[in-house]
This record gives sequence, C-alpha cells and structure tokens, in this order.
Amino acid sequence: DAKTTQPPSMDCAEGRAANLPCNHSTISGNEYVYWYRQIHSQGPQYIIHGLKNNETNEMASLIITEDRKSSTLILPHATLRDTAVYYCIVSVRSSYNTDKLIFGTGTRLQVFP
Amino acid sequence: ETGVTQSPTHLIKTRGQQVTLRCSSQSGHNTVSWYQQALGQGPQFIFQYYREEENGRGNFPPRFSGLQFPNYSSELNVNALELDDSALYLCASSHPLFRQAQHLYGYTFGSGTRLTVV
Repeated sequence: DAKTTQPPSMDCAEGRAANLPCNHSTISGNEYVYWYRQIHSQGPQYIIHGLKNNETNEMASLIITEDRKSSTLILPHATLRDTAVYYCIVSVRSSYNTDKLIFGTGTRLQVFP
Repeated sequence: ETGVTQSPTHLIKTRGQQVTLRCSSQSGHNTVSWYQQALGQGPQFIFQYYREEENGRGNFPPRFSGLQFPNYSSELNVNALELDDSALYLCASSHPLFRQAQHLYGYTFGSGTRLTVV
C-alpha cells in the first residue's frame, strides 16, 4: 500500500506558486520521498526526490519537514502546462538494494489562466 | 541518450488470450519495473527486474510474469486475459546509482501500452 496521503485536487492561478502537500508519517529513516507527475495519457515524469534536506532543481523545490513526516512540492511559477496529476511517493527498498515506487492516488493540479 | 520505449502502443485482445508487452530500458539503466494503471487510478506496481531476476512483486496473480534480458530490456506476459486487465501498462527503468545522484533523474517511464480486453 502507498505510504503517502495527498489532497485529491488543487487549483492554482497561472504565474503563481503551486504548493502541493504530502503526508508520509510512517516514513522510515532510509526511505526517500519522490515526486512524479502524469499528464493525461502519458507516462509519469520524474520531478524531484529527497531524503531529509530540501532540494531544488530546474523544475521544482522539495521541502521536507525536520521530522520527515510531511513534505511540500513547490512549482514556483505555475503554467498551464503544469496541469497534471502529481504523485508523492515514498520508496520501498527491494531485496537487491533497489527502490520500488508505490504510487498513491495523487493530487490533480489544475492551473487556470 | 534514448528514453524508455514500449511496444506496442495499443493492443486489443480477447478474454482468455495471452499477451506480451515489451520494454527497452534507457541506456545505462539495469532495473526495470512494470506498472498497471487502470482508468482514473494511480499506477499499481506489478514487479521489478534487476539483473535478469525478479526483485519484488506487487499483488498480482502468477498469470502476470516477466523477463529481463542481458541488455536489460524486459517483457511482461499476461496469460488468460480477463476484462479487468484492460489498462495502461507502464514500464520504468532506473540507474543503479540514482539515489545518490539527482541528475540521474530517478525512474524513467515509458509512454505505456494501452491494452483493451474484450
């Protein structure tokens, strides 16, 4: 089962920052938080991931709370093309020391003009 | 570098038939995972292959099976198709060091194979 909880939907005005929350209260010390998004009928697209420090890349920022029980994905200047389903995922370690991504139901972000 | 490619893109099968879906992983990626995504749902983990061996399995019956080849490409086989098997099947590959290096971009997904069982 997925180890994350996200709101089912959110709206954001174009040009504004979109802040997508995620709860992962049962996360273990060596488990990473990943964010992916899926635009209709396409495969999920990697956005960012982190362990305990905040992370930033060209797409987004990831803010992880000190207790690691929740995180927020920030899209600094949302555009209409950011409309998608956003998945927050806590990885599960496999027996060969690789990660499995177990998806939840995600947040449907609608960016409006 | 090429991404993850899946074939075919669309497929229609009859209940009870068997199907094979194919996935070519991204260059340098040695781990392949398969997911099933029903309409309106998040992707559900089927299984993962690492160095040609199954490395974890989700809650799917044995009629879902797979292979990984020495070049790290992979196949998903589904026997005795049921109507509920209709879904988008996604393949994802990953680099062995992606945890440590952000620029390796985690799992890379293909665009999927849309399977319809009638």
